[in-house]
Amino acid sequence: GAVVSQHPSWVICKSGTSVKIECRSLDFQATTMFWYRQFPKQSLMLMATSNEGSKATYEQGVEKDKFLINHASLTLSTLTVTSAHPEDSSFYICSPCTDTQYFGPGTRLTVL
Amino acid sequence: QKEVEQNSGPLSVPEGAIASLNCTYSDRGSQSFFWYRQYSGKSPELIMSIYSNGDKEDGRFTAQLNKASQYVSLLIRDSQPSDSATYLCAVNGVGNFNKFYFGSGTKLNVKP
Repeated sequence: GAVVSQHPSWVICKSGTSVKIECRSLDFQATTMFWYRQFPKQSLMLMATSNEGSKATYEQGVEKDKFLINHASLTLSTLTVTSAHPEDSSFYICSPCTDTQYFGPGTRLTVL
Repeated sequence: QKEVEQNSGPLSVPEGAIASLNCTYSDRGSQSFFWYRQYSGKSPELIMSIYSNGDKEDGRFTAQLNKASQYVSLLIRDSQPSDSATYLCAVNGVGNFNKFYFGSGTKLNVKP
C-alpha cells in the first residue's frame, strides 16, 4: 500500500493561531490528496480534495478560507488551519487518491 | 439518509468466537467496498476490500458483499483481544469512484 507521512503527529495551540499540517507521499506521486477530519467517536468526514497545481475542492460546509490547502508538488500537500478555535480540535488525516484509500498516520490538533 | 450505516456497538464477543460486523449503503452504483480497523487515537488501516458479490477470505477475515441488498459484512474468526478496535466500512461514491464514504464505525470488544 501507499506510504504516507504526516507532520506533526500532534499539536497543541492557542486559539487564534494558525497551524500547518504536512502530508507527504513517500513512495509514489500523488496528483490528488484527500483531507479528512474525524471528531471523537465519529467517522471520517471528507473535508477537501487537493489537486497538484490547482485549487482544492471543498466539501459542503467546509470553509475554504479557514482551511487552506496547498498541493505544490506531487509528494507534498499541506493543510493550514487558520485562526484555529477550540471547535477545530480534531484528528486530521490525509489520504492519497489511489484505487484503495490508504491513510496517513494523522495529526491530532488541540486548540486551547 | 446516511450513505453508509453501521451499528455503533459496542459489540462484545469472547476470545475465540466469531465477530460479525455489518454495514449497509445507499447508492446502488457503488462498486468498491472496504473494511478498515481503527485503534483509538490511530489512523484507519485497511483490512479488506471487496468488489464482487459473494465472499472474500483473507486469513481470519471474511468480507461478504450482497449488492442486491446493499449490504456488506465482515466476519472475524477466532477473535483475539488485539482485534478490539473500531471497524469502519467504506464505500466508493457513485460518479466519483475515488471518493469514499465512511460509516460511523462499530466498536468491537474481544474479551479474554
